Amino acid sequence: QKEVEQDPGPLSVPEGAIVSLNCTYSNSAFQYFMWYRQYSRKGPELLMYTYSSGNKEDGRFTAQVDKSSKYISLFIRDSQPSDSATYLCAIYNFNKFYFGSGTKLNVKP
Amino acid sequence: GAGVSQSPRYKVAKRGQDVALRCDPISGHVSLFWYQQALGQGPEFLTYFQNEAQLDKSGLPSDRFFAERPEGSVSTLKIQRTQQEDSAVYLCASSSPGQGTPEAFFGQGTRLTVV
Repeated sequence: QKEVEQDPGPLSVPEGAIVSLNCTYSNSAFQYFMWYRQYSRKGPELLMYTYSSGNKEDGRFTAQVDKSSKYISLFIRDSQPSDSATYLCAIYNFNKFYFGSGTKLNVKP
Repeated sequence: GAGVSQSPRYKVAKRGQDVALRCDPISGHVSLFWYQQALGQGPEFLTYFQNEAQLDKSGLPSDRFFAERPEGSVSTLKIQRTQQEDSAVYLCASSSPGQGTPEAFFGQGTRLTVV
């Protein structure tokens, strides 16, 4: 079993839509949960991270962790064409980042 | 420097050829990671350095893969006798544990194609 599993997508939404991206993880001891965005032919860039459980908001982005169900979510409000990218959930544990397989998002103008 | 720099950006190797991929981390960053990303997949851990010490190499897929960071700054990932299954993007990341967060900054990667 992989440490983190991610809905593969792809996901196509109209501009302005609310986007929900999701992952599940295997080990209840994990504490650091991250979302990275990766544009084509670029390296991943950190969007936001959460320590332990709860919500974290940054502009149009909200990260949510539910430790009881081992579920990680990223919500994007008022999605823009510039949000079109692959989104990777990740867990950091003991000097390793474990990544999901990524969800490719396309926001249509 | 401004960010993590990797070179070359693209590398085409004939099967059986040796390759060396370079990573220049952000100045002062203690931690350095190498990841392998296959097409359509998330990055997979290869190895981790803290300064010059290679503390974890559990992700290296075979003894053909070797990484070093002799002076605790620039790192090189070497692949000997390349095989077609080695074709992937190799990502390097650096971070500074002292900052108190696990934020790692990734380079743009080296896309290796073995023909």
